[in-house]
Amino acid sequence: GAGVSQSPRYKVAKRGQDVALRCDPISGHVSLFWYQQALGQGPEFLTYFQNEAQLDKSGLPSDRFFAERPEGSVSTLKIQRTQQEDSAVYLCASSPRDGSGGRSSYNEQFFGPGTRLTVL
Amino acid sequence: KNEVEQSPQNLTAQEGEFITINCSYSVGISALHWLQQHPGGGIVSLFMLSSGKKKHGRLIATINIQEKHSSLHITASHPRDSAVYICAVGGSNYQLIWGAGTKLIIKP
Repeated sequence: GAGVSQSPRYKVAKRGQDVALRCDPISGHVSLFWYQQALGQGPEFLTYFQNEAQLDKSGLPSDRFFAERPEGSVSTLKIQRTQQEDSAVYLCASSPRDGSGGRSSYNEQFFGPGTRLTVL
Repeated sequence: KNEVEQSPQNLTAQEGEFITINCSYSVGISALHWLQQHPGGGIVSLFMLSSGKKKHGRLIATINIQEKHSSLHITASHPRDSAVYICAVGGSNYQLIWGAGTKLIIKP
């Protein structure tokens, strides 16, 4: 397909389990973003990749969260020892730009359908 | 005060009505995005604009840079337009600043 895809679409985990969420960005897109959206809230930035480099992980809520993009395309967000507060929709977005253009850089982001994680 | 404010938070209207959702922001931006989110979580980008007006089908988005305000209009609304509409602004880097969203319900 031509868009951003994410898998699984839905994930139910028991508290303490590890989970891995996958994002397939649009082919050729340089930038990849992960967001966390709690119920009734707007998305919150988690982390940003430019190709394979994780340039910003300031939004990751704890060291239980880990993201990688080893070959600069597919990305995986891993959550270790899941807690109930991790329940949210995890959104992935990609962008053809590298985000370094400053105010003149239109940072259009293309979003995937999200993975809804429920931790019991 | 949030950097991006949307109004109204919730909107219920009858099919066929003209809908307006507003977004005000307080930061300098490079672009403003309007996005649609249906139940189930997926987000679809509707518009990205930095000036003027854009139209796509029954959707129209306008932005006034001087007033730091944007509006999303839906003409001849339909129940399938029911969704959460989110305004997000792109600043001087790659990060988006998100509004809280407007939940729209169109009744048949």
